[in-house]
Amino acid sequence: KQEVTQIPAALSVPEGENLVLNCSFTDSAIYNLQWFRQDPGKGLTSLLLIQSSQREQTSGRLNASLDKSSGRSTLYIAASQPGDSATYLCAVLYGNNRLAFGKGNQVVVIP
Amino acid sequence: KAGVTQTPRYLIKTRGQQVTLSCSPISGHRSVSWYQQTPGQGLQFLFEYFSETQRNKGNFPGRFSGRQFSNSRSEMNVSTLELGDSALYLCASSWSTGYYEQYFGPGTRLTVT
Repeated sequence: KQEVTQIPAALSVPEGENLVLNCSFTDSAIYNLQWFRQDPGKGLTSLLLIQSSQREQTSGRLNASLDKSSGRSTLYIAASQPGDSATYLCAVLYGNNRLAFGKGNQVVVIP
Repeated sequence: KAGVTQTPRYLIKTRGQQVTLSCSPISGHRSVSWYQQTPGQGLQFLFEYFSETQRNKGNFPGRFSGRQFSNSRSEMNVSTLELGDSALYLCASSWSTGYYEQYFGPGTRLTVT
């Protein structure tokens, strides 16, 4: 079964601290991995896409790494801001072209 | 470039009724996927359409169906609504099927009473 796990479900950090969010997946035969952000009651905003052949991707304060062999990805958000408060979702794309999602990390950045 | 649009944004229906949700993908995108999001189950894949053909289907009952038109717009239909169908229904589009980045719409919030 293609399972994606994100732990912890919720976390709070003071403004300015670096955020580290972890994602693990059971089946390493992935096509790519996407990190999304979701604000309450809203749709998903794509943050970063890492193809299976890549080790990391960067966009501004965001950096995501991928280790297929160990079934892990990490999203780093540097110098967190209150506007970073949201739920972050990790999604893995397999050959059946369906995204398998984790349950998300609900992040609160405290001013 | 306009993003993925979904209509309606909110819907309230009664048990036993049926509902149709609509999704317009990003211009040029030919693959459309549908997902259901609930607090208990999280995001679950419903189905994917590419070139007017259903390519994949998730583990949902036959009450859930969909279709795609020649302009890549897609509709999802749920018949004989149940209370458990209350959810946020999200549509995602990508350029093609396979390795491509998926872009999500704002979703349709369906409440079944």
